[in-house]
Amino acid sequence: ENVLTQSPGTLSSSPGERATLSCRASQSVSSNYLAWYQQKPGQAPRLLIYGASTRATGIPDRFSGSGSGTDFTLTISRLEPEDFAVYYCQQYGSSSITFGPGTKVDIK
Amino acid sequence: VQLVESGGGIVQPGKSLRLSCAASGFTFTNYWMHWVRQAPGKGLVWVSRINGDGSSTTYADSVQGRFTISRDNAKNTLYLQMNSLRAEDTAVYYCARIHMLAAWDWGQGTLVTVSS
Repeated sequence: ENVLTQSPGTLSSSPGERATLSCRASQSVSSNYLAWYQQKPGQAPRLLIYGASTRATGIPDRFSGSGSGTDFTLTISRLEPEDFAVYYCQQYGSSSITFGPGTKVDIK
Repeated sequence: VQLVESGGGIVQPGKSLRLSCAASGFTFTNYWMHWVRQAPGKGLVWVSRINGDGSSTTYADSVQGRFTISRDNAKNTLYLQMNSLRAEDTAVYYCARIHMLAAWDWGQGTLVTVSS
């Protein structure tokens, strides 16, 4: 199983700041197979990024994804109040899918 | 696109439950579908997936042999039959539509509580 590790566990930031979230895999992940989701309390997850770097429909361009191999990054260029949430990375493997444990972005 | 889960509830350990996910707004048979769960206060955990015609299924190790995913394309409905339920199966269960190797659309979730 390809284990995903996310860091930091919690990121305390202020609106307007830049946020950088990391996702590291225990085995190499094809870039096409890496996605990022946002989840707010009481809501279902929302797809932000697929294919490691492509924004899903309707996702603002302040969200960007990058990386390859075992190291991937989600960057929020300027945090808006609605961006404070939990973010998960996910890899789509041939025999299983795994999610990272999540990074909580909260207001400093 | 709309996905609506149902069938959750409180069930005793060892018992069974079947979840349903009614899909609309897209050509159901064209898409892989997944079940993902989230225990209270915890992260997302993938449970199972099924291809468009139902001929290929995969399960997480934690549910292999106990859960069965299926679909009825005539009814645009996805199912998850859960047997031999355990306390650790307690979670909100989401169904999700897969496109471009990611979960583009999610239902609102249905809560399953396994407790005596």
